[in-house]
Amino acid sequence: DTAVSQTPKYLVTQMGNDKSIKCEQNLGHDTMYWYKQDSKKFLKIMFSYNNKELIINETVPNRFSPKSPDKAHLNLHINSLELGDSAVYFCASSRTSDEQFFGPGTRLTVL
Amino acid sequence: KQEVTQIPAALSVPEGENLVLNCSFTDSAIYNLQWFRQDPGKGLTSLLLIQSSQREQTSGRLNASLDKSSGRSTLYIAASQPGDSATYLCAVIPDTSSNTGKLIFGQGTTLQVKP
Repeated sequence: DTAVSQTPKYLVTQMGNDKSIKCEQNLGHDTMYWYKQDSKKFLKIMFSYNNKELIINETVPNRFSPKSPDKAHLNLHINSLELGDSAVYFCASSRTSDEQFFGPGTRLTVL
Repeated sequence: KQEVTQIPAALSVPEGENLVLNCSFTDSAIYNLQWFRQDPGKGLTSLLLIQSSQREQTSGRLNASLDKSSGRSTLYIAASQPGDSATYLCAVIPDTSSNTGKLIFGQGTTLQVKP
């Protein structure tokens, strides 16, 4: 039933580790996004993929690498995690520039 | 550069009151505007989407208006209930990003409705 799902919901890891977050949508949308919500609850876009093609990369460090194996999935891999990467990461999807639907978020804590 | 501001940052009202949440944006050239609700520790729930050509949208007790020329949107909540307590976020897609869907968010208004 879930429209946009993310795994895991919580991720606690040590500095320097590599981790991945997975996102799947079953809405038939052609565009998927990753947003970051910082400790002050401010939301900012990181990446956007349209039909598996990267269309937005908001000057995110190249330690962050999104991958879209198909239109329904957009995964986020983070290398060499830093303390400042601690945040909540949200995946979203839409038909291009239409109403966006968000996943439940992944709370990443880097120790 | 488009910036979105929401005032007030927090609002506390008694149950049953009608209330208005404000959102302003610096560049009137927007493709659409979307209002979201976020409960603590949860994801965002889309409430209303207003296209740039529209003036308002309604869903149940919620009514969102858009005045592009003045760079403002309001979210009106009628007969507020404790279950309405949440953070409400306003976000716009600039015209220049209409082919990418890039949403620019405000900081949100945290609403508490007291029984």
